Amino acid sequence: GIQVEQSPPDLILQEGANSTLRCNFSDSVNNLQWFHQNPWGQLINLFYIPSGTKQNGRLSATTVATERYSLLYISSSQTTDSGVYFCAVVSAGGTSYGKLTFGQGTILTVHP
Amino acid sequence: DGGITQSPKYLFRKEGQNVTLSCEQNLNHDAMYWYRQDPGQGLRLIYYSQIVNDFQKGDIAEGYSVSREKKESFPLTVTSAQKNPTAFYLCASRSQEVSYEQYFGPGTRLTVT
Repeated sequence: GIQVEQSPPDLILQEGANSTLRCNFSDSVNNLQWFHQNPWGQLINLFYIPSGTKQNGRLSATTVATERYSLLYISSSQTTDSGVYFCAVVSAGGTSYGKLTFGQGTILTVHP
Repeated sequence: DGGITQSPKYLFRKEGQNVTLSCEQNLNHDAMYWYRQDPGQGLRLIYYSQIVNDFQKGDIAEGYSVSREKKESFPLTVTSAQKNPTAFYLCASRSQEVSYEQYFGPGTRLTVT
């Protein structure tokens, strides 16, 4: 099946710093989503971005489908950005029935 | 409010007991999914349903069962056959017509001792 790799696994920042999280995937995709998992476990949808670039406030994301990677940019980080960031994809091949395959996540810690 | 609700938030059970986790959505979505998350891991698919009265096994279905009698509801039963049931369980749904984007409920933390 499709493989999803996220980097870095851990990231520690000072408040106000910028960061880039990366997601590599091994096959063509119909869907790519970025999520933020908060301390209570809730998965918050950040972006639905199978291709192209989107921005939402201090966050933006770019997916280059032909090269099989996506980047999540966080600018002017805040302590509330802390948590785990997941990339998840739906493979375009076979009968994926919309199943999301998750990466292992990036644990982001923002210090005041 | 439109969304996905899961209950209970926390659940404690003794080994050997079956337990049912609730998932309800009012988004009018056709497809619903159950995922399991273990500490420090991403999510893995247990079961999915694309339409009422139909559901299919995901990657880790052993020891679990589901039903889909109504469009809004997709309960998951963790049976005594599941060897390691302690985990965080998340339910998701998506519209088959609009896009592949999935939306998640708040999750249920199950502890079996």
